[in-house]
Amino acid sequence: AQTVTQSQPEMSVQEAETVTLSCTYDTSENNYYLFWYKQPPSRQMILVIRQEAYKQQNATENRFSVNFQKAAKSFSLKISDSQLGDTAMYFCAFIIQGAQKLVFGQGTRLTINP
Amino acid sequence: GAVVSQHPSRVICKSGTSVKIECRSLDFQATTMFWYRQFPKQSLMLMATSNEGSKATYEQGVEKDKFLINHASLTLSTLTVTSAHPEDSSFYICSARGRTGLQETQYFGPGTRLLVL
Repeated sequence: AQTVTQSQPEMSVQEAETVTLSCTYDTSENNYYLFWYKQPPSRQMILVIRQEAYKQQNATENRFSVNFQKAAKSFSLKISDSQLGDTAMYFCAFIIQGAQKLVFGQGTRLTINP
Repeated sequence: GAVVSQHPSRVICKSGTSVKIECRSLDFQATTMFWYRQFPKQSLMLMATSNEGSKATYEQGVEKDKFLINHASLTLSTLTVTSAHPEDSSFYICSARGRTGLQETQYFGPGTRLLVL
């Protein structure tokens, strides 16, 4: 069975600091896609970043970047120069190529303090 | 990015009544739509998956006669909670998967908060 584990239920950092959220996953498949979604207090799920498993280069989106370690099945999210608006629940997820269902982790509640 | 709308955003109803929630993909055709339920401080729990024109596939433990899903077109799916009871109170989120540009991505609606009295 495919699973996603986010080992940090809660994290808190000061504004402008860098923070890294951990995510590990388990699958026997070789082709899949990984995602980080953000759910702010409004509860709207927002796609932050995606990574194709066949790509060795880590994805980046402005202040957000990932450290994708395929052999270790690790997919951490780094937020640089954190802002108050980054306060949210962050969910790691993946989907097997050709499959329909996203598999979500349990989420990490991130608080950015002023 | 692509937009998924959901209506209503909040609904309060009496026990025993039925409630319909609409989900629309506004600027892309959704090959597949999903309905999730989310309890406070928890992750999303998939309820069912639907493809346009075919019956929804429900996850284990989800009553298909209670949570009716209709995926009438490539841009519209509805979830009807029939004979709602207080234990059905929750946050329901729809999601649509479609191709925008070169990538197929899953986008989420803003959610519907259901309170059954």
